[in-house]
Parts: sequence; structure tokens; C-alpha cells
Amino acid sequence: DQQVKQNSPSLSVQEGRISILNCDYTNSMFDYFLWYKKYPAEGPTFLISISSIKDKNEDGRFTVFLNKSAKHLSLHIVPSQPGDSAVYFCAASPWGNTPLVFGKGTRLSVIA
Amino acid sequence: GAVVSQHPSRVICKSGTSVKIECRSLDFQATTMFWYRQFPKQSLMLMATSNEGSKATYEQGVEKDKFLINHASLTLSTLTVTSAHPEDSSFYICSARAASVGTQYFGPGTRLLVL
Repeated sequence: DQQVKQNSPSLSVQEGRISILNCDYTNSMFDYFLWYKKYPAEGPTFLISISSIKDKNEDGRFTVFLNKSAKHLSLHIVPSQPGDSAVYFCAASPWGNTPLVFGKGTRLSVIA
Repeated sequence: GAVVSQHPSRVICKSGTSVKIECRSLDFQATTMFWYRQFPKQSLMLMATSNEGSKATYEQGVEKDKFLINHASLTLSTLTVTSAHPEDSSFYICSARAASVGTQYFGPGTRLLVL
């Protein structure tokens, strides 16, 4: 049973436009959510996080939105750049010392 | 941000030998470290969780006698793949988390190829 789902395996966006990556979760105990970016043959890099007490967190070009009632979060990248091309993983956990649960990832391609 | 290193970055070994991978948190103390495995075009698969000074907790289906994990200090965890076989060839990634903080920081990964 997949608790964190990224239903789009891939996404293509033109340079300069907005990239929207989506993630759904099923476990209502999750209260901390993260996005990671991963290049081939490298470890994931932490991008941005949000706790359940907030519905939006912004860091530069990256904004994460959380809709708790829908159990849905999204990552917005504006403007998209070719260097953003990578696989993006959504992750979630209950607060505390427990492992993150990862989605299967979405491959973003930003086309110049 | 927090830095996690892994060594080696790449290793090729013969079938039947053992391989040790080190994971270090360089600028923070990691109460908990995690070991993941990733097959090509697949998501990260959690193998085990290790807390400093205690035995690792392995995920279902992961052989603890094959994948030995030691977390001897707050900055170092090791994963030893014992009697490696070609099917153990994969990309192994560690992550570390400081106490009371939800964010896990990942190492750069180790690519293991067993011939």
C-alpha cells in the first residue's frame, strides 16, 4: 500500500514557465512533508519542507503548498530553468524519529 | 545545509567478497541514520534505520545478516554487504537526521557493482 503517491512519472515544461509537481498521501498521521531533487547517480538533495501547521512555504523559486483536507501537496517552481531537470521526490512522515516515506518520483524536464 | 558524505563513491568487487560503505555526517550529530537502496528508474527503498549505540531496525525483506549496519558514533554509520552477489549490485544511499529534526540529509550515494 503506497502511502505517498506521485501519479505523474514525468513532466515537461518550457524554460521560464511554471512547473507544478503533485503528491498525494493517505496517512492522516503524516504532519511533515518534504521535497527532494535527485540527479542520476547522486543522492537526493533537500529542497523545501512544510509542516502541517502551515499551508504554504516559499523559498526563492520554490513554493510548496499543502492541502490537508485533500491530503495533497504540490511543488511549484517559477520560473523553471534547464538546471531544474531532475527527478523530484515527495516525502512525508509523522513528526519525530521515524523514516520518511517517499513517493516514486516525477522526472521533470525543462526544455530551453 | 547539512552535509553527509559517503565513501567510496563507487566500488567493483568479485562475487563472494564483502564491501563496507561509510556514511558520515560532517557538520552535525546524527542520532539516526538511514540506509536506502535504489534500482534503476525506481524509487528509494529503505533498507534499515540505525540509531547510535543500538541495533539497526531492518525493513521487511532485508536480510540483517547480509547487510550489516553499525552506528558506532553520532557521525558515522557503516553498511557492510557480506558475501556480495551480482544481484546486490545497486546504488546505496545513506541519510542522516539530527535529533528532533524531521529533515533527512542524504549522502551522494555509492554505486556497487558485483561481478
